[in-house]
Amino acid sequence: DGGITQSPKYLFRKEGQNVTLSCEQNLNHDAMYWYRQDPGQGLRLIYYSQIVNDFQKGDIAEGYSVSREKKESFPLTVTSAQKNPTAFYLCASSRQLAGGYNEQFFGPGTRLTVL
Amino acid sequence: AQSVTQPDIHITVSEGASLELRCNYSYGATPYLFWYVQSPGQGLQLLLKYFSGDTLVQGIKGFEAEFKRSQSSFNLRKPSVHWSDAAEYFCAVGARQAGTALIFGKGTTLSVSS
Repeated sequence: DGGITQSPKYLFRKEGQNVTLSCEQNLNHDAMYWYRQDPGQGLRLIYYSQIVNDFQKGDIAEGYSVSREKKESFPLTVTSAQKNPTAFYLCASSRQLAGGYNEQFFGPGTRLTVL
Repeated sequence: AQSVTQPDIHITVSEGASLELRCNYSYGATPYLFWYVQSPGQGLQLLLKYFSGDTLVQGIKGFEAEFKRSQSSFNLRKPSVHWSDAAEYFCAVGARQAGTALIFGKGTTLSVSS
């Protein structure tokens, strides 16, 4: 089945540690995205990548880093510089439809908790 | 500034009653619009989308939405709500450009009473 997988589903981190969230897609999509979700805040964009070896900061990139070495993979590292990392993290990818429109698909999410 | 507003944080509807969730957007270019649904602890599932053409769009699970350019709105409707529709609903707007991210509203939580 085609889709987006995120692992782990739950992640616990001690303060001062870096952690990496995995996102893999087998949809052959060019673009991938990371969003952070907090209660009552909707989804906020962290980073996005339109093609391999290229990515751009979103609205809340501070304390996060990404890489895009393969089309299928877009891991997110939450560094110790992120002051309030406890949140639900969603990965998405998009395909280009005829007419120039994008359609985004989402993974199941990773819940990160800082202890 | 580009933004999406969902005025209702929480709505409760009786099972079998009709539903309308409001969404207003502010966007410089011609937008394309989405409604997503999220069950607790899950990812987002696309309900429907508007790109162009007919302003009334049909989606999955019996949902529909109407794009009104003059009101900058894209309200979601369902004629008869089922208990399984209880979830959080997000409206989003995007640009006609490859690889651009969506701008999301803060969501509306729907509760269904029996």
